[in-house]
Amino acid sequence: DTAVSQTPKYLVTQMGNDKSIKCEQNLGHDTMYWYKQDSKKFLKIMFSYNNKELIINETVPNRFSPKSPDKAHLNLHINSLELGDSAVYFCASSQGIGAGSNQPQHFGDGTRLSIL
Amino acid sequence: ELKVEQNPLFLSMQEGKNYTIYCNYSTTSDRLYWYRQDPGKSLESLFVLLSNGAVKQEGRLMASLDTKARLSTLHITAAVHDLSATYFCAVGSGSRLTFGEGTQLTVNP
Repeated sequence: DTAVSQTPKYLVTQMGNDKSIKCEQNLGHDTMYWYKQDSKKFLKIMFSYNNKELIINETVPNRFSPKSPDKAHLNLHINSLELGDSAVYFCASSQGIGAGSNQPQHFGDGTRLSIL
Repeated sequence: ELKVEQNPLFLSMQEGKNYTIYCNYSTTSDRLYWYRQDPGKSLESLFVLLSNGAVKQEGRLMASLDTKARLSTLHITAAVHDLSATYFCAVGSGSRLTFGEGTQLTVNP
């Protein structure tokens, strides 16, 4: 009965490869997010979707492409992986956006991406 | 651009002691959250603070919000080892949350 689930949990791959991370939530939320947590634990928003519509698109290399096939899923595809992409990527979900979203975001367990 | 600063970034304290973590933010916000992260784990929501003067308590942790000073505090009372973790504040502005750098708390026996 996991609320926000991400796969895979660990991803080790070579520089230059393309990889995807999947996220699913069963909370009935309408908004989903991708965050990047670097080695210093700093968390930064990358993307957010509300009802399958992109609402936040931070300054992220266009090698990163999110896709939301429905409200319950938000996947992240990364092309031509670079050493600097090594980090933990967290998916999160919440109900509503802006001032209407006074409930906390619920986070997945993270995907630990290591680039060799 | 909203900036969120926490201090201290590292805190080592003895069991039984009290301490406060501070979270300052740079622009008006309508909501503030505190999260806990254990090493290698996800983020767990602790508190949601929505109005000036809001105070919430859970066990040995108490969070407060002063929107006029743009300041939130997380007070730890009589710390125990189980509270060792990284604590993040996150400030809402529009459709996004901006996180502080995190405070890595270590409680020593």
